Amino acid sequence: KNQVEQSPQSLIILEGKNCTLQCNYTVSPFSNLRWYKQDTGRGPVSLTIMTFSENTKSNGRYTATLDADTKQSSLHITASQLSDSASYICVVRGGSGGGADGLTFGKGTHLIIQP
Amino acid sequence: DGGITQSPKYLFRKEGQNVTLSCEQNLNHDAMYWYRQDPGQGLRLIYYSQIVNDFQKGDIAEGYSVSREKKESFPLTVTSAQKNPTAFYLCASSTRGGWTEAFFGQGTRLTVV
Repeated sequence: KNQVEQSPQSLIILEGKNCTLQCNYTVSPFSNLRWYKQDTGRGPVSLTIMTFSENTKSNGRYTATLDADTKQSSLHITASQLSDSASYICVVRGGSGGGADGLTFGKGTHLIIQP
Repeated sequence: DGGITQSPKYLFRKEGQNVTLSCEQNLNHDAMYWYRQDPGQGLRLIYYSQIVNDFQKGDIAEGYSVSREKKESFPLTVTSAQKNPTAFYLCASSTRGGWTEAFFGQGTRLTVV
């Protein structure tokens, strides 16, 4: 069965510090991987989408990496701000063991930025 | 502005009642989806529709129903048969067949009282 495992489950860092969130997946064949940011009580908002041939993609202070060989992705946040406090969800598309929509969702990493 | 709109933001329901959640999009997307989000769990697919007048059950369709009479609208009804309906419900839309362009609504929090 397809799985997307995210770590850590939760993370607390001080404002201005950097952090890295991890996403490991077993989805095969792979189509694309997307990172979402979800503020409490709001819908997820896409940060980046990565396909098989892409290793790194940036969106402002967010940088996602993808290693399709090891089936790992990371989301690096630089110079964190209070507004970065949210849940970050990794979603992988592809394979035959995911949801009926072809997607497998991670459970998310809950990030808290402290002043 | 283009986007996907869910309403209401908060909804309270008495046990034994049906309730309908609204989802509207003006992105000209063919595909629309309903997900349920519970604390500590990933999003789970309830129903999805790839085209008007057609929809498919997702992974947790029991106790829910949908319709897709218009391209822009995909309402979800939570019936009294759903034993644990309290949750955060998310609607999404995408271009057909790829999820390469996909957007979520702001969600509806349903509470059974």
